[in-house]
Amino acid sequence: GDSVTQMEGPVTLSEEAFLTINCTYTATGYPSLFWYVQYPGEGLQLLLKATKADDKGSNKGFEATYRKETTSFHLEKGSVQVSDSAVYFCALSDQRWGKSTFGDGTTLTVKP
Amino acid sequence: GAVVSQHPSWVICKSGTSVKIECRSLDFQATTMFWYRQFPKQSLMLMATSNEGSKATYEQGVEKDKFLINHASLTLSTLTVTSAHPEDSSFYICSARGDKLDTEAFFGQGTRLTVV
Repeated sequence: GDSVTQMEGPVTLSEEAFLTINCTYTATGYPSLFWYVQYPGEGLQLLLKATKADDKGSNKGFEATYRKETTSFHLEKGSVQVSDSAVYFCALSDQRWGKSTFGDGTTLTVKP
Repeated sequence: GAVVSQHPSWVICKSGTSVKIECRSLDFQATTMFWYRQFPKQSLMLMATSNEGSKATYEQGVEKDKFLINHASLTLSTLTVTSAHPEDSSFYICSARGDKLDTEAFFGQGTRLTVV
């Protein structure tokens, strides 16, 4: 079945540091890929998405590129802020059936 | 954009009682809805998939008699946790998808259930 493997956390960075959270996937067919962010006690917020190979999703300074050859969708941000502290989930969605498979989540803490 | 609303956002109930959680698509018709469960500091696990007008399909290990799912209309699905126990305490999140292929599913804000 489909699976998503995320870089283990937690990740602690200083403000303005560069962020990378690795994500690789296994899927049949051609899934859509997503990054979600979850703040403490809240639901999921879609951060960015890509629906086909070589697409780049971007939002709020975060970027991720759908790499079919390496089955990866790594999340990057050039300069993190304290307000970016949250749990980040990489996920794929089966385009035919719509159900989502999530990675284990990576907790990011950004210190001033 | 597509909005999915979940209600309530949090609920506390006594052991042995039942709790109903609603998931509504506000601005589109959701032919398929998904229910996920998230334990503290863990990822989301799919519990079941429901299609409007038909029985839900449960993932392996999920008790269908305990987690009753109803998807009676194109904008509403409900999850009822029957005879709740403290181990059912969790964060439950729904997502909804329209009827076109290649469309993404949109997530509700989640419901935190605490059984005391």
